[in-house]
Amino acid sequence: SQQGEEDPQALSIQEGENATMNCSYKTSINNLQWYRQNSGRGLVHLILIRSNEREKHSGRLRVTLDTSKKSSSLLITASRAADTASYFCATVSGGYQKVTFGTGTKLQVIP
Amino acid sequence: GAVVSQHPSRVICKSGTSVKIECRSLDFQATTMFWYRQFPKKSLMLMATSNEGSKATYEQGVEKDKFLINHASLTLSTLTVTSAHPEDSSFYICSARDPGWGAGGGLFFGSGTQLSVL
Repeated sequence: SQQGEEDPQALSIQEGENATMNCSYKTSINNLQWYRQNSGRGLVHLILIRSNEREKHSGRLRVTLDTSKKSSSLLITASRAADTASYFCATVSGGYQKVTFGTGTKLQVIP
Repeated sequence: GAVVSQHPSRVICKSGTSVKIECRSLDFQATTMFWYRQFPKKSLMLMATSNEGSKATYEQGVEKDKFLINHASLTLSTLTVTSAHPEDSSFYICSARDPGWGAGGGLFFGSGTQLSVL
């Protein structure tokens, strides 16, 4: 199944710094979502951006979407140690609203 | 927010046995549920889409006789790994769509089940 690519695969930053993760996909989408996963746990929905939107904010999160380049980015500002987790983008496409996950970025925020 | 309960969280079984994993939407009715499999340090791979009252739709390469999915009610879907083998060991996650969130949104995940087959 089609799967998005995320980069970087791993990111290590100091607490207080900003973290940027990118996601590229291959087909047209209805919307794109970002999720967070702590090790060995389920996924937590962070933010959804629709295909006709270009930018969206939620607290310390900022998501952009460029449908012409088929890419999205997630920015976490003023990172905290508790932000340490894996982050996945997921595209929703087609009439059946199929959800396909990217490869994920493992973020480590060092206190 | 909406809650999806997945049980058990961890199961260890002998090779050849069958294991059932339950996924329940606790405060909404989910006409569609999804089952994913995740290998260590990898992304989630969609296994199948479970629709209430009808047969599940399996992704290419997923054995439907191996991974039995039943979505008998609007709040419960089950995944049964039949005749489990060590290569079936993995992290399985379910998700359920809350139709009240509108098209494409409202996908909530269970906490996952770590299956270890000895």
